[in-house]
Amino acid sequence: EPEVTQTPSHQVTQMGQEVILRCVPISNHLYFYWYRQILGQKVEFLVSFYNNEISEKSEIFDDQFSVERPDGSNFTLKIRSTKLEDSAMYFCASSEGDTSSYEQYFGPGTRLTVT
Amino acid sequence: DAKTTQPPSMDCAEGRAANLPCNHSTISGNEYVYWYRQIHSQGPQYIIHGLKNNETNEMASLIITEDRKSSTLILPHATLRDTAVYYCIVRDSYNTHKLIFGTGTRIQVFP
Repeated sequence: EPEVTQTPSHQVTQMGQEVILRCVPISNHLYFYWYRQILGQKVEFLVSFYNNEISEKSEIFDDQFSVERPDGSNFTLKIRSTKLEDSAMYFCASSEGDTSSYEQYFGPGTRLTVT
Repeated sequence: DAKTTQPPSMDCAEGRAANLPCNHSTISGNEYVYWYRQIHSQGPQYIIHGLKNNETNEMASLIITEDRKSSTLILPHATLRDTAVYYCIVRDSYNTHKLIFGTGTRIQVFP
């Protein structure tokens, strides 16, 4: 069964450093998403991406964050100048379509720890 | 997106059916009801979704009331591996693509 994969599973970085989280969405999916979950809190939407453009972003997704689909398979989330409060699980998701009849499938997540 | 209300926790005996309720009294006509679950800190796992009709797949059944103001997710034969947080999400992607997760229902399946 096709699945979303994410690397690395755990990333430790120092405050102020840049990190890139990587995702490989399901191959025939066209819509891509990033969510995050701070320990003990809700899963929060960050951004959605389609046709090489951001289609929606949350208030959390400020200038510190960027997304990219550098090739036909990868989807990345870059966090510039990480802060302690960026420590969280980051989940990538993908869907075949964007209407509410299309489910989003999530990857296993990357645990980001900023020290 | 319409707000959903779920009980914070439920227990279920292994092998029995687990019935998870969700209220979404402000749901509108074009909003789907989605169910996801999250086992420990893993990525949310899609379970099932529906609009008006009841739905069934290999994981669960979704029963939506006729007025669509509430729904029930049924896990027919709960196993220990079904212990997770279950999220009921109402989604209208004409206005947004995002899923809005609440706090969900924590299901503990016991032997």
